[in-house]
Amino acid sequence: AQSVTQPDARVTVSEGASLQLRCKYSYSGTPYLFWYVQYPRQGLQLLLKYYSGDPVVQGVNGFEAEFSKSNSSFHLRKASVHWSDSAVYFCVLSLITGNTGKLIFGLGTTLQVQP
Amino acid sequence: DPKIIQKPKYLVAVTGSEKILICEQYLGHNAMYWYRQSAKKPLEFMFSYSYQKLMDNQTASSRFQPQSSKKNHLDLQITALKPDDSATYFCASSHPGTPNSDYTFGSGTRLLVI
Repeated sequence: AQSVTQPDARVTVSEGASLQLRCKYSYSGTPYLFWYVQYPRQGLQLLLKYYSGDPVVQGVNGFEAEFSKSNSSFHLRKASVHWSDSAVYFCVLSLITGNTGKLIFGLGTTLQVQP
Repeated sequence: DPKIIQKPKYLVAVTGSEKILICEQYLGHNAMYWYRQSAKKPLEFMFSYSYQKLMDNQTASSRFQPQSSKKNHLDLQITALKPDDSATYFCASSHPGTPNSDYTFGSGTRLLVI
């Protein structure tokens, strides 16, 4: 069965520090992967996506993610976090079902950036 | 301007009652979805529609009924509400049929059943 695992429920970093949020997926087919962010009381916003090509993909606000087929991983990184990055981050596997799709979400990682 | 409008933002309902959650999208997408976010659980896929036809239903209960009156609308009717239905319900849309299509989410309806 398809699944996404985000092993860290909560990550706390200091402002200006680097960040890595981990994500592992389980899927036998070609994975299409996203990272979404959810700010408090808001909907989900797409940070970046991977479906082929260069395993390192760039997203908005300085985020990037690296896909590894051998490790079944899609970790999110940022070189220097800002307090406004505090939010919940979701790793997501995109599947096609018929003429639509379905997203498989991880549980999410809550990022708290301390001043 | 929000591209997907969900109404209401907050909803308190009594156990046993019925409510309708509204979703309209202005992105020209032909696929629309409902997802549910409950405490301590990952966001769960509920339904997908493509060109106003039900494509996939992962909701076990028939108390949840999507309704598509127009191609950019996908409402969610919930009957015989239970406290366990308390969650945030997100509507989303995309272009159909491509796994790398961007999904756009609404800001959600937070439902509390008392």
